[in-house]
Amino acid sequence: DQQVKQNSPSLSVQEGRISILNCDYTNSMFDYFLWYKKYPAEGPTFLISISSIKDKNEDGRFTVFLNKSAKHLSLHIVPSQPGDSAVYFCAATKMKTSYDKVIFGPGTSLSVIP
Amino acid sequence: DAGITQSPRHKVTETGTPVTLRCHQTENHRYMYWYRQDPGHGLRLIHYSYGVKDTDKGEVSDGYSVSRSKTEDFLLTLESATSSQTSVYFCAISPVGGGYGYTFGSGTRLTVV
Repeated sequence: DQQVKQNSPSLSVQEGRISILNCDYTNSMFDYFLWYKKYPAEGPTFLISISSIKDKNEDGRFTVFLNKSAKHLSLHIVPSQPGDSAVYFCAATKMKTSYDKVIFGPGTSLSVIP
Repeated sequence: DAGITQSPRHKVTETGTPVTLRCHQTENHRYMYWYRQDPGHGLRLIHYSYGVKDTDKGEVSDGYSVSRSKTEDFLLTLESATSSQTSVYFCAISPVGGGYGYTFGSGTRLTVV
C-alpha cells in the first residue's frame, strides 16, 4: 500500500513552458514534504520542501504547492529547461527532525523537449 | 563534493552468496540510511542508523543486515543474495533528520544471477 503516490510515470513538456508534477499521499500524519531530482547513474538530490503549515514554497524556478485537505502536492517548474529532464521523487515524513522513515513516491520522469 | 561514497559502484554476484555494500561519509552526520530503488516502487528504506551501533529496520529489511561501528561507515550485508535483491542501492546521510533533506551517494547497482 503506497502512502505516497505519483500517478504519472512520465511527462513531456516543451522548453520554456510550465512543468507540473503531481503527488498524492494517504497518511494524514505526514507533516513535511520534499521533492528530489535524480539524473541517470546519480543519486537523488534534494530540491525543495514544504511544511504542512504552509501552502506554497518557492525557490527560483521551482514552486511547491500543498493542499492539505486534498492530501495533494504539486511541483511547478517555470520555465522548464532541458537540464530539468530527470526523474522527480515526491517524499513525505512525519516530522522535520525525525530520523524515522521518509517515504518516497515511485517517481515521475520529466522530459523537457528543446 | 558531497562527502559520501558508495562501493562498489557495480557488482554481479551469484544467488546464495553473501554480499556487503559499503557507505562512507566524511560529513560526520549522525544519521545514515540504506534505500533500494526499483521501478514502480521509488526508493524504499531498508535499514537506518541513528548513531554508532544504533540501527533499526526499515520497510524492506528482510534478507538484509547492517552494521555501523564508526560514525563514517555504514555497511549493508545481503546474507544470502537472491534474484529479488537485484536493485540499485543508495546510501543517504542527514545531520538532523529527514525533513532537512538527505544527501545521497551515487548508488551501487547490484545484479544477482
